[in-house]
Amino acid sequence: AQKITQTQPGMFVQEKEAVTLDCTYDTSDPSYGLFWYKQPSSGEMIFLIYQGSYDQQNATEGRYSLNFQKARKSANLVISASQLGDSAMYFCAMREANTGGFKTIFGAGTRLFVKA
Amino acid sequence: KAGVTQTPRYLIKTRGQQVTLSCSPISGHRSVSWYQQTPGQGLQFLFEYFSETQRNKGNFPGRFSGRQFSNSRSEMNVSTLELGDSALYLCASSLGQASDTQYFGPGTRLTVL
Repeated sequence: AQKITQTQPGMFVQEKEAVTLDCTYDTSDPSYGLFWYKQPSSGEMIFLIYQGSYDQQNATEGRYSLNFQKARKSANLVISASQLGDSAMYFCAMREANTGGFKTIFGAGTRLFVKA
Repeated sequence: KAGVTQTPRYLIKTRGQQVTLSCSPISGHRSVSWYQQTPGQGLQFLFEYFSETQRNKGNFPGRFSGRQFSNSRSEMNVSTLELGDSALYLCASSLGQASDTQYFGPGTRLTVL
């Protein structure tokens, strides 16, 4: 069964430092996509970064990078130079084909607190 | 491009009532997915529509239904509301393939009294 695990309910990081948010997944499908979203207190889900299962290189988007280790089934998000505005919930998600369509499942999330 | 819009943003209903939520996707997006977010269960997939057809459905009772119109706008209906249906309902749109990014709307916060 599909599963996404985020083992860190909460994380603290000092402003301007880097932080890694962990995500492991489980799937038997060779084709899937991995996503990270940020959800501020306002509630809106903001797309951060995408990694395809066949991508050879780790994805990067500005201060965000995805440390993709396929054999370990992990897709950790690295945020460099943390800013106060990075304080939010972060969700790892996996999207794969399912009964003719696609289904996305989300992890439980990690709440990140950036300290000044 | 305009983002995903959801209406209404807030709703208060009582048990037993029914509710309809609306989602307008990003122009050109043909896939709309709905999710329920609660503190206890997290984000759960409700269903996905693509070109007016339901392609996938999550593990929710039949009280939860949806539809998609020819302009890709989607509605979600919940009948016979229960207290446990109180949640943030998020819709997301995409072009429709697995690798396509889903863009989320601001959500509709439903409170059932």
